[in-house]
Amino acid sequence: AQSVSQHNHHVILSEAASLELGCNYSYGGTVNLFWYVQYPGQHLQLLLKYFSGDPLVKGIKGFEAEFIKSKFSFNLRKPSVQWSDTAEYFCAVKRLDRGSTLGRLYFGRGTQLTVWP
Amino acid sequence: DSGVTQTPKHLITATGQRVTLRCSPRSGDLSVYWYQQSLDQGLQFLIQYYNGEERAKGNILERFSAQQFPDLHSELNLSSLELGDSALYFCASSLTTSGNTIYFGEGSWLTVV
Repeated sequence: AQSVSQHNHHVILSEAASLELGCNYSYGGTVNLFWYVQYPGQHLQLLLKYFSGDPLVKGIKGFEAEFIKSKFSFNLRKPSVQWSDTAEYFCAVKRLDRGSTLGRLYFGRGTQLTVWP
Repeated sequence: DSGVTQTPKHLITATGQRVTLRCSPRSGDLSVYWYQQSLDQGLQFLIQYYNGEERAKGNILERFSAQQFPDLHSELNLSSLELGDSALYFCASSLTTSGNTIYFGEGSWLTVV
């Protein structure tokens, strides 16, 4: 079965600290990869996505992620976090099965990031 | 604002009851998805519709059903509600079935008491 693992349930950082959130998936085929952010009381917003090409992708708000195919990983990074980055972050995977063009996403359990000012 | 509208935002109901959650996709989007977010299960895919037709089914219980209407809005019907159905139900939409970019609504909080 498809699974997406996010290693950290809760991460607490001070402003200006660097961030790395881990994400691993278990599907061996071709995938599209996503990071979503959910601010308190708001909807899920797309931070960045990887489909193909350069494995280092840049998203909004200074976030970036690196796809390492050999490790089945797609870790999210930000060099210097801000208090406003406090939110829950979700990694998601879409399988590209042969002949499949469906948009179903498999989500990780999420990582709550708290940034202290 | 993602452009995906969900109603109601909050709903409290008793066990055994039936509720309907409503979703209006972004203008022009043909595909609608329903997800359930709960503390113990996380974000789980329920079902996907494209232009009125069911395209994919996930972990949706038999007590739950959904449909997408000709105007592309969708409804998720939850019946014989149990305490464990308490969750945040998200609707999402995308232009195509492949969903390269999926936009989420703010969710409908369902509390079953």
